[in-house]
Amino acid sequence: AQKITQTQPGMFVQEKEAVTLDCTYDTSDPSYGLFWYKQPSSGEMIFLIYQGSYDQQNATEGRYSLNFQKARKSANLVISASQLGDSAMYFCAMREGAVYNFNKFYFGSGTKLNVKP
Amino acid sequence: DAGITQSPRHKVTETGTPVTLRCHQTENHRYMYWYRQDPGHGLRLIHYSYGVKDTDKGEVSDGYSVSRSKTEDFLLTLESATSSQTSVYFCAISDPILAASYNEQFFGPGTRLTVL
Repeated sequence: AQKITQTQPGMFVQEKEAVTLDCTYDTSDPSYGLFWYKQPSSGEMIFLIYQGSYDQQNATEGRYSLNFQKARKSANLVISASQLGDSAMYFCAMREGAVYNFNKFYFGSGTKLNVKP
Repeated sequence: DAGITQSPRHKVTETGTPVTLRCHQTENHRYMYWYRQDPGHGLRLIHYSYGVKDTDKGEVSDGYSVSRSKTEDFLLTLESATSSQTSVYFCAISDPILAASYNEQFFGPGTRLTVL
């Protein structure tokens, strides 16, 4: 079974609107972390936001927020007020296991976001 | 930004030739990883290392080997390159103590490998 599933291969959003990128995960470990990375056309992987499995509140970082629904095993990324520079590939990832241990990381297949002017 | 470099950044080679990709870090992170990125698959783990001379296989390790003789260097070798190994290869590092908050991975810039 896939550890991380991103069901939206590509999405369009109008500039200044909000957009939600979906991510579901699968793990039986009570300790895990969820990450979102951005990959612009230049190719580098940029860390955006993190949510720990024991965190009570949804993570926020500027215009990024993570809609964490633990019972549904979903960790959707919300980008508010989209900008042209948000056009990129976005990856959801999971660190399985406690934060202080060695961990494997699992990545989804990505969502290509295009922001239209 | 984490100090991670990859060399070469681009390489074109022929089927059957050996290829070695190098990942070098200056962050003293304990754990190092090699991924390949292909359209529709995201990043898939090839091999990882949890210390000098300690390595293990990931989910797509066939046709690849690795070595880590120093903390800062992690080498990925394609013993006999095939066209199916055409991909973008990323090195990543992590350390639960040095990157205390999230134990996230930091990525190198990637190597684009084309096997003809």
